Amino acid sequence: AQSVTQPDIHITVSEGASLELRCNYSYGATPYLFWYVQSPGQGLQLLLKYFSGDTLVQGIKGFEAEFKRSQSSFNLRKPSVHWSDAAEYFCAVGAGLTGGGNKLTFGTGTQLKVEL
Amino acid sequence: SAVISQKPSRDICQRGTSLTIQCQVDSQVTMMFWYRQQPGQSLTLIATANQGSEATYESGFVIDKFPISRPNLTFSTLTVSNMSPEDSSIYLCSVCEGMNTEAFFGQGTRLTVV
Repeated sequence: AQSVTQPDIHITVSEGASLELRCNYSYGATPYLFWYVQSPGQGLQLLLKYFSGDTLVQGIKGFEAEFKRSQSSFNLRKPSVHWSDAAEYFCAVGAGLTGGGNKLTFGTGTQLKVEL
Repeated sequence: SAVISQKPSRDICQRGTSLTIQCQVDSQVTMMFWYRQQPGQSLTLIATANQGSEATYESGFVIDKFPISRPNLTFSTLTVSNMSPEDSSIYLCSVCEGMNTEAFFGQGTRLTVV
């Protein structure tokens, strides 16, 4: 069965500093990988996705992620964090037969705090 | 991307009662899903809502507790039956517009059972 691990439960960074959130997955086939962000009291917003092709993917709000098959990782990065980035971030893998975001398995999430 | 509306956005319910949550999408979508997010935890897939047939439930979830309907390609409901405080969670509707497409989520329904 597929699984997703986000090793960092909480991360605190200063505004303007760089950010990297870690994600490791376990899946037997080529994975469909996603990063979502959840602000307090809100639903999930898709930041970016990886299906195939270029292993460095760009997303919204200045985020990017790199797929590394050899390390089973899909880490999220941002060069300069803004206070509004404070939220919870979820990594997910899609494992349904029709691919994509079908039947997502989520990691436990990383809570990002931004210090001004 | 599809626009997903969930109703209600939140509710406080008495134990032993049932609540039906609605999910409306502004376009026809191939797949609809229901997830649960328990307090302070991640999201867990409850079931896939199949249009015109019975939903497909994940391990640990049963139809008697979480009956699901999907009468057409734009609408689905999830009922949380015979509620207990352990059912207090955020319930989220998710859709995929087609094969090999990303999933979009509604704003969720925050349920508190007292």
